[in-house]
Amino acid sequence: SAVISQKPSRDICQRGTSLTIQCQVDSQVTMMFWYRQQPGQSLTLIATANQGSEATYESGFVIDKFPISRPNLTFSTLTVSNMSPEDSSIYLCSVQGGKRGAGELFFGEGSRLTVL
Amino acid sequence: GQNIDQPTEMTATEGAIVQINCTYQTSGFNGLFWYQQHAGEAPTFLSYNVLDGLEEKGRFSSFLSRSKGYSYLLLKELQMKDSASYLCAVRRGYQKVTFGTGTKLQVIP
Repeated sequence: SAVISQKPSRDICQRGTSLTIQCQVDSQVTMMFWYRQQPGQSLTLIATANQGSEATYESGFVIDKFPISRPNLTFSTLTVSNMSPEDSSIYLCSVQGGKRGAGELFFGEGSRLTVL
Repeated sequence: GQNIDQPTEMTATEGAIVQINCTYQTSGFNGLFWYQQHAGEAPTFLSYNVLDGLEEKGRFSSFLSRSKGYSYLLLKELQMKDSASYLCAVRRGYQKVTFGTGTKLQVIP
C-alpha cells in the first residue's frame, strides 16, 4: 500500500483567493489522481496528473481553475484558483496500487477547504 | 458516459446482515470496487470484482454480475463501527475510477 500525505489538512479561505494543495507519496507512481468531495456527496474526479506531461481534466473541470503540477514521480500539487463558496469541499489526492489485477486507489487524508 | 446508482441511506441492526446494491452503466468496464468511508475520513478499500461471482473477505462479501451491470456489498454480523458511507466505484479502461453516489449506512443497537 502507498502512504499519501496532503497539506494543508484544512483551511479557511477568502473569496477570490487561490490555494495550493500538496500531495506527497512514499513511492514512485506513474499517475496521481485528484478528487473533490463536496459536502454530503461522493467523490468526483477532477483530473489525472501525469509526470512529464499536462494533466488530463474531466468534463466540467478546466486547467485555469484547477492548475496541477507534477514535477516528479512522488509529488503533485492542485491549485484551486479564484475561489468561491461553491469550491468549499474536501480535495483528495489518490494513487493506484494494490495487488496485480486490482489496482485499488489509495487516498490521502484530504484537504478540507472552506471558502467564505 | 456512465451512471452508477446506489441507495442514499440504509439502516440495519447490530448483529444483522445488510446488502447494499449498486447498478452501473458504463463502456469499457474493467472492474468494480467497494470503499468504506467514515465521516471526516478518506475512503478505504474493501473489495474488488472484475469477474462475475462472489468474493468473500471476512464479514464482507461483494458480488458482481457484468451482464446485469449489478453489484452488491454484503455485510454480516454488523457492528456499530460499520456505520459509514459505502461507495461503489467502477473502473473504466486501465486507470479511470468513477464513484457512485454512496450509501450511508447506520447501524443501530
